[in-house]
Amino acid sequence: ILNVEQSPQSLHVQEGDSTNFTCSFPSSNFYALHWYRWETAKSPEALFVMTLNGDEKKKGRISATLNTKEGYSYLYIKGSQPEDSATYLCASTNFGNEKLTFGTGTRLTIIP
Amino acid sequence: DVKVTQSSRYLVKRTGEKVFLECVQDMDHENMFWYRQDPGLGLRLIYFSYDVKMKEKGDIPEGYSVSREKKERFSLILESASTNQTSMYLCASSFQGINNEQFFGPGTRLTVL
Repeated sequence: ILNVEQSPQSLHVQEGDSTNFTCSFPSSNFYALHWYRWETAKSPEALFVMTLNGDEKKKGRISATLNTKEGYSYLYIKGSQPEDSATYLCASTNFGNEKLTFGTGTRLTIIP
Repeated sequence: DVKVTQSSRYLVKRTGEKVFLECVQDMDHENMFWYRQDPGLGLRLIYFSYDVKMKEKGDIPEGYSVSREKKERFSLILESASTNQTSMYLCASSFQGINNEQFFGPGTRLTVL
């Protein structure tokens, strides 16, 4: 079983501030890294799927980077808004494996 | 719009009952997954299926079975529910290929008394 770790576990950020959090995963045999956003009372939604070392993806104010050699990914949120409040999950998978292994998530609360 | 639906949002059952959780997706996805979410733990994979009538154990299959008779439907079965199966259950689906995003249902919060 892969060991995917996320930090911090929870985070409170003032509206308008930028923030980032980390996902670390085993780098050996790595294939893909997924980021999901899970808002309360809703379904988790995919933000990014990343496979290449050095890859950077962006969706609006949210971006993510990937370092497959050292086994980590950062998620950045610029100019936090109340609607960014959610749990952010990352998940990793290896070659030849259709299964994702999820981290425990970072719970982000934006303070108005 | 991809839709993954689950039969119930909330369910209360008694210890020893047989419980069926149903999941339906409308995007012709080959892969379907069942996860459970517990406080302090990540989403943990129970079972997944990559084709009709095909199933593979996930990380925590004990006490569960699954059925996939049609491509769009994936059922999770608790043969004899126990209190330690009280949890949030999430279904997901995706196209084949591990770099394809998964689409999740709204979840079923199951309480076993």
